[in-house]
Amino acid sequence: EDKVVQSPLSLVVHEGDTVTLNCSYEVTNFRSLLWYKQEKKAPTFLFMLTSSGIEKKSGRLSSILDKKELFSILNITATQTGDSAVYLCAVGAYSGAGSYQLTFGKGTKLSVIP
Amino acid sequence: KAGVTQTPRYLIKTRGQQVTLSCSPISGHRSVSWYQQTPGQGLQFLFEYFSETQRNKGNFPGRFSGRQFSNSRSEMNVSTLELGDSALYLCASSTVDIEYNEQFFGPGTRLTVL
Repeated sequence: EDKVVQSPLSLVVHEGDTVTLNCSYEVTNFRSLLWYKQEKKAPTFLFMLTSSGIEKKSGRLSSILDKKELFSILNITATQTGDSAVYLCAVGAYSGAGSYQLTFGKGTKLSVIP
Repeated sequence: KAGVTQTPRYLIKTRGQQVTLSCSPISGHRSVSWYQQTPGQGLQFLFEYFSETQRNKGNFPGRFSGRQFSNSRSEMNVSTLELGDSALYLCASSTVDIEYNEQFFGPGTRLTVL
């Protein structure tokens, strides 16, 4: 069974701090790893990492994928209160039945205090 | 371009009843996936539809079903509701190459079963 584990489950930091969120996975037929940000609404897409794109950066957010060690990290520098959210990691893979689906981790709840 | 829309946004039902949720994908997106999100289990994949055909199905009982129409709009149905079905139901749409493209989520339908 495919498994995605995120750590830590929750994190409290002060504005301006740098945080690192972790995502490890055990899946067969890996295709992609995605990061989403979820506030009190729908998850919004942040990054997709694949074999052809193992490092992504957008503003203060960046992410890398280590396919050998089967993990990914999401870095947020100079955190702001608006970064407070649940960050979800999802892995896209083909299941044993040959169908593609996303398996999500349980998320990391980040709280940024002024 | 309008995002993914879901109706209704909130729903209260009693045990034993059935419910139908609706999802309209982003224009041009033909793949629609459904997820159940609960505090304990996180986001879990229900099923995915493409061109009116169910391509993938998660590990949920047969009480959970869905369909997709020719305009790519999708519905999911839950029959004989149980208390444990209380959750946020999220719909996500993607282009045809789902494994290479991100999924965009709708705002969700919050279902409460009493």
